[in-house]
Amino acid sequence: AQSVTQLDSQVPVFEEAPVELRCNYSSSVSVYLFWYVQYPNQGLQLLLKYLSGSTLVKGINGFEAEFNKSQTSFHLRKPSVHISDTAEYFCAVSVRRAGNMLTFGGGTRLMVKP
Amino acid sequence: DADVTQTPRNRITKTGKRIMLECSQTKGHDRMYWYRQDPGLGLRLIYYSFDVKDINKGEISDGYSVSRQAQAKFSLSLESAIPNQTALYFCATSDLRGSRYNEQFFGPGTRLTVL
Repeated sequence: AQSVTQLDSQVPVFEEAPVELRCNYSSSVSVYLFWYVQYPNQGLQLLLKYLSGSTLVKGINGFEAEFNKSQTSFHLRKPSVHISDTAEYFCAVSVRRAGNMLTFGGGTRLMVKP
Repeated sequence: DADVTQTPRNRITKTGKRIMLECSQTKGHDRMYWYRQDPGLGLRLIYYSFDVKDINKGEISDGYSVSRQAQAKFSLSLESAIPNQTALYFCATSDLRGSRYNEQFFGPGTRLTVL
């Protein structure tokens, strides 16, 4: 079975500063990787995903993530955050086989301060 | 209009009551899912359905049941609610076709409180 660990439950950061949200996964087989964002009182929406190919993936709202197979990581980065990026971010993994079942990490709350 | 809708959005109920949460989608997806979200635990899968006749238990199905009334509708029931079922519940859909085949689309959530 696969698992996902988000190492930080909360990340406070000042506006316009860079940010990295960390995600590590465990799986005995190849995986697909995802980052979802949840704004207050809303459902989750996809930020970006890694399926194959280039290990640097660009998503919406200026976010990007890098897949590192040797370190089993998929960290999310943004060079300059805005107040509107305040939200909860979830890393998720699915195994490369029929079906697309997701296993989620515990989430990281990004708090952008003025 | 939203592609995935959930009703009710908020519900307060008492221990022992039966409650149903409903999910409808207009995306035409075959696959539907129910998750619960608890602080620090992320989202955990309760049940999933790959089509109307295919329903499967997820990681935490005890105390829950589901019904797939049609391709577009997937309901979650708590037969006898208990306080530790207080959580935020999400419905999601997905499809294996097209460029977004590995993406799940989420509803806005139902906040359930069991007193």
